[in-house]
Amino acid sequence: QKEVEQDPGPLSVPEGAIVSLNCTYSNSAFQYFMWYRQYSRKGPELLMYTYSSGNKEDGRFTAQVDKSSKYISLFIRDSQPSDSATYLCAMGPSGGYNKLIFGAGTRLAVHP
Amino acid sequence: DVKVTQSSRYLVKRTGEKVFLECVQDMDHENMFWYRQDPGLGLRLIYFSYDVKMKEKGDIPEGYSVSREKKERFSLILESASTNQTSMYLCASSLFKGLAGDTFTDTQYFGPGTRLTVL
Repeated sequence: QKEVEQDPGPLSVPEGAIVSLNCTYSNSAFQYFMWYRQYSRKGPELLMYTYSSGNKEDGRFTAQVDKSSKYISLFIRDSQPSDSATYLCAMGPSGGYNKLIFGAGTRLAVHP
Repeated sequence: DVKVTQSSRYLVKRTGEKVFLECVQDMDHENMFWYRQDPGLGLRLIYFSYDVKMKEKGDIPEGYSVSREKKERFSLILESASTNQTSMYLCASSLFKGLAGDTFTDTQYFGPGTRLTVL
């Protein structure tokens, strides 16, 4: 079993829809959680991060962490065609030189 | 803004060749990483370095080596390229610092990637 599971999609939604992207994990030591967005033929770029549990909002994006369920989500409101990309979750324990563990990525297509 | 650059966007090499991939970051970051990314497998860590001349194996180090002679530069070396090393190679860097307020350790910033094809 992988440490981080992420549905690869693809997920296809109409413009304006609310998108929900999710990851589950098995390591209870994970303390910080990130979402990266990767456009085709580009490197991943950091989109959102949260430390420990709770919600974080940035414009149309909301990241949620539920440590009791070992489940994280990224919500995109009013989705736009420019949101079409692969979304990678990443997580790791706090401190030190610990590695980030990445999900496989979910491919999202927002069509006009 | 953090900038991570990689020496080539696209590279085509032949089986058995020695291949060098270079990565440079301009933000004085302590840590640097090399990943490969393959469809369905996500990002897999090859090697990382937390200081000059220091290196640690990641999850798939076989067939690769690395060099970090200067803080800003981290090189990935394929000693004898094989067709199963055809992949997208991504370099990343991160600043190790203690948790303070809204900051935290190990946000990784990625370069644009090198798509390597081994024939």
